[in-house]
Amino acid sequence: DAKTTQPNSMESNEEEPVHLPCNHSTISGTDYIHWYRQLPSQGPEYVIHGLTSNVNNRMASLAIAEDRKSSTLILHRATLRDAAVYYCILRASGNTPLVFGKGTRLSVIA
Amino acid sequence: GAVVSQHPSWVICKSGTSVKIECRSLDFQATTMFWYRQFPKQSLMLMATSNEGSKATYEQGVEKDKFLINHASLTLSTLTVTSAHPEDSSFYICSARGGLYSYEQYFGPGTRLTVT
Repeated sequence: DAKTTQPNSMESNEEEPVHLPCNHSTISGTDYIHWYRQLPSQGPEYVIHGLTSNVNNRMASLAIAEDRKSSTLILHRATLRDAAVYYCILRASGNTPLVFGKGTRLSVIA
Repeated sequence: GAVVSQHPSWVICKSGTSVKIECRSLDFQATTMFWYRQFPKQSLMLMATSNEGSKATYEQGVEKDKFLINHASLTLSTLTVTSAHPEDSSFYICSARGGLYSYEQYFGPGTRLTVT
């Protein structure tokens, strides 16, 4: 699976939007972009995933660049419960396991 | 959504003993299960992949005789850490795939192992 690059950490104020970037310049045409997050002392949880088009769900939005070499996870209104490590992961097919990088540690300030 | 449980949530054991961790998919049949390990301040590291009824496939550097994985049914996988040592102390997380959205991986809450 292709590699991703994320900032080590980011900070946001509560109730403000957060844009978490991810670079994946070596992405292949069949790679899906997945985002998971891990709250302290818990297992990761699914946030969102996409292939080419922007995606929205109840948790977040995923904006994918036209060339697919980068993507941005958008939390529309950060809450204290959104403080977590966010992982951007590329996966070629549904049969391969998720391989985690270092992720971005998001801190939310009240 | 699909739920994956782990038992126990934490365990303390003495050096040289073995510890078994259970991973269950509660509301779906998991055709594939994964085991990850996470040291403090680090990311998750994939240890092995197991398909129901088959032998597990271990990642490079993971000792298969030390970390025994059994996936005997579509809802249960176990990880046994044999002859545990303090360096095996870690957060062990299982993940399962299957069900309606078979591409998605669902994660358990993790098991904190401390070896004294």
